[in-house]
Amino acid sequence: DVKVTQSSRYLVKRTGEKVFLECVQDMDHENMFWYRQDPGLGLRLIYFSYDVKMKEKGDIPEGYSVSREKKERFSLILESASTNQTSMYLCASSWDRRDEKLFFGSGTQLSVL
Amino acid sequence: QKEVEQDPGPLSVPEGAIVSLNCTYSNSAFQYFMWYRQYSRKGPELLMYTYSSGNKEDGRFTAQVDKSSKYISLFIRDSQPSDSATYLCAMSDGGTSGTYKYIFGTGTRLKVLA
Repeated sequence: DVKVTQSSRYLVKRTGEKVFLECVQDMDHENMFWYRQDPGLGLRLIYFSYDVKMKEKGDIPEGYSVSREKKERFSLILESASTNQTSMYLCASSWDRRDEKLFFGSGTQLSVL
Repeated sequence: QKEVEQDPGPLSVPEGAIVSLNCTYSNSAFQYFMWYRQYSRKGPELLMYTYSSGNKEDGRFTAQVDKSSKYISLFIRDSQPSDSATYLCAMSDGGTSGTYKYIFGTGTRLKVLA
């Protein structure tokens, strides 16, 4: 089974802090994604990556950056956390560009106070 | 108008009922259609995957796509309390429109009562 692991289930941070969310997948998938999920808004794509050291902006990249130094690891960085970044963050992976089947991690519920 | 519309529910049904979950969409370029199930405080998991129009069956689950009406459905037969979850539809154009587009519905919350 594909396993996508997110490092934290719950995080509480203060406004202005730098926040790192880590995601690791164990199936040698090429694609990795970061989404945020908010009630009534569904899943919105923040950033994605088709290869190591490669990244592309999704629909809502403002206030976020990403890093993919190794194929299995994709990190989401909040440079200066704000209260409107309180959300559920979901990491996902898929085999390659032509694969529509996403495998998700369990999510990180981030609260910014 | 949103590209994908999905009734948020909640939808409550008795155990054993047939459940019908639906999404409508506006972009005719979508050709891959997925259903994800998300339990509370968990990530979504892929339930059904179909390409283009038609039906696909997997156990108690049937996914139906009507591209002419831009309407997709997920049917659950003999529903069980363990089916209680949020169901998200998703669709993709496979990159055919130039920029790859993969969109999720907002999800329908289903509760199956024992």
